[in-house]
Amino acid sequence: NAGVTQTPKFRVLKTGQSMTLLCAQDMNHEYMYWYRQDPGMGLRLIHYSVGEGTTAKGEVPDGYNVSRLKKQNFLLGLESAAPSQTSVYFCASSYPGRVNTEAFFGQGTRLTVV
Amino acid sequence: GDSVTQMEGPVTLSEEAFLTINCTYTATGYPSLFWYVQYPGEGLQLLLKATKADDKGSNKGFEATYRKETTSFHLEKGSVQVSDSAVYFCALPNTGNQFYFGTGTSLTVIP
Repeated sequence: NAGVTQTPKFRVLKTGQSMTLLCAQDMNHEYMYWYRQDPGMGLRLIHYSVGEGTTAKGEVPDGYNVSRLKKQNFLLGLESAAPSQTSVYFCASSYPGRVNTEAFFGQGTRLTVV
Repeated sequence: GDSVTQMEGPVTLSEEAFLTINCTYTATGYPSLFWYVQYPGEGLQLLLKATKADDKGSNKGFEATYRKETTSFHLEKGSVQVSDSAVYFCALPNTGNQFYFGTGTSLTVIP
């Protein structure tokens, strides 16, 4: 039971470099999310998707882009990394709705931008 | 919009002490409410949930009751263990198809 898988788990980037974080889920979930977690800030939603081919901005979308070309995958891109994007990134997925659903999380990607 | 407000931390308790972590919510309608736990170096995992008013979720000795009259979902455990040291998040799915999480409460249990 893989659940939600994130790659890579760790990455160090230089300022200005680009990278893509991959999230894959095998639960046939419609909804997928990208969060960042910073000390004292909790989880902040970057972007999310309610289905294949759709994306939407969350609370902190600037500096990130996303794509959902396949239902099981949700990619998060950093076009030009900045030190302020040093964080732990979590992907999650869920079924639609607000009752009796839950979000399943990946193990996280620890990104350092120097 | 829908949101949760969570008790600030960090919280430090001795083993076998009683734990309460407060969570209040603002929501349109009656969405499910959740507590997630994050152990050091790991992702978040569901601890317990309640799907309607007056429901009690429970798991691993933790409990939380969905209280409509006080708009609360406080997390409790009667006797904490060192292994309960983690960060706890209250959460709800809001009307915008997003999962909204509180800021998290860090718990450290000392022997």
